Amino acid sequence: AQSVTQPDIHITVSEGASLELRCNYSYGATPYLFWYVQSPGQGLQLLLKYFSGDTLVQGIKGFEAEFKRSQSSFNLRKPSMHWSDAAEYFCAVGATGLDSNSGYALNFGKGTSLLVTP
Amino acid sequence: GAGVSQSPRYKVAKRGQDVALRCDPISGHVSLFWYQQALGQGPEFLTYFQNEAQLDKSGLPSDRFFAERPEGSVSTLKIQRTQQEDSAVYLCASSPQITYEQYFGPGTRLTVT
Repeated sequence: AQSVTQPDIHITVSEGASLELRCNYSYGATPYLFWYVQSPGQGLQLLLKYFSGDTLVQGIKGFEAEFKRSQSSFNLRKPSMHWSDAAEYFCAVGATGLDSNSGYALNFGKGTSLLVTP
Repeated sequence: GAGVSQSPRYKVAKRGQDVALRCDPISGHVSLFWYQQALGQGPEFLTYFQNEAQLDKSGLPSDRFFAERPEGSVSTLKIQRTQQEDSAVYLCASSPQITYEQYFGPGTRLTVT
């Protein structure tokens, strides 16, 4: 069965510092990969996605992620963090073609809670 | 344009009560998903609709959970005889096609006391 692992439960970074959030997946075929952000009381907002092609993908709010097939990873990065980036970050994976009734439901990791200090 | 909306935003129920949670997807979106997010966890898939047809309900945790989307637009998730373990945020997402690009609503936080 497919699974998504986010090894870091909590991360604290200083404002202006760089960030890398880790995501590892377990799936036999090439997955569809996503990063979402969730601010308190808000729904999930899509930061970026990888379907195919260039393994370095750019997203909103200055985020990027790199798909590394050999490491089964899809780590999220940002060069300079802002206080407004404090939120919960979720990596998600989707599988295609297995079952037309699956409707492309997403399988989420448990999330990484990010704190940005002044 | 308007995004996915959910109501109520917060619901407190006594154990054993029935609750109904509503989702208004983005107009014209074909696919609709319900997810359950327990405290400190990621969202977990509950059920999926393509228009009015419920094509996958494999994630519903028990037969106390029931979802419908009778006209292929608004959806309701109903939980009968609520239990404390049902306490969670219930997220609804919609998509314009049969695709992974899902747009999430703000969720309904259900607390069962």
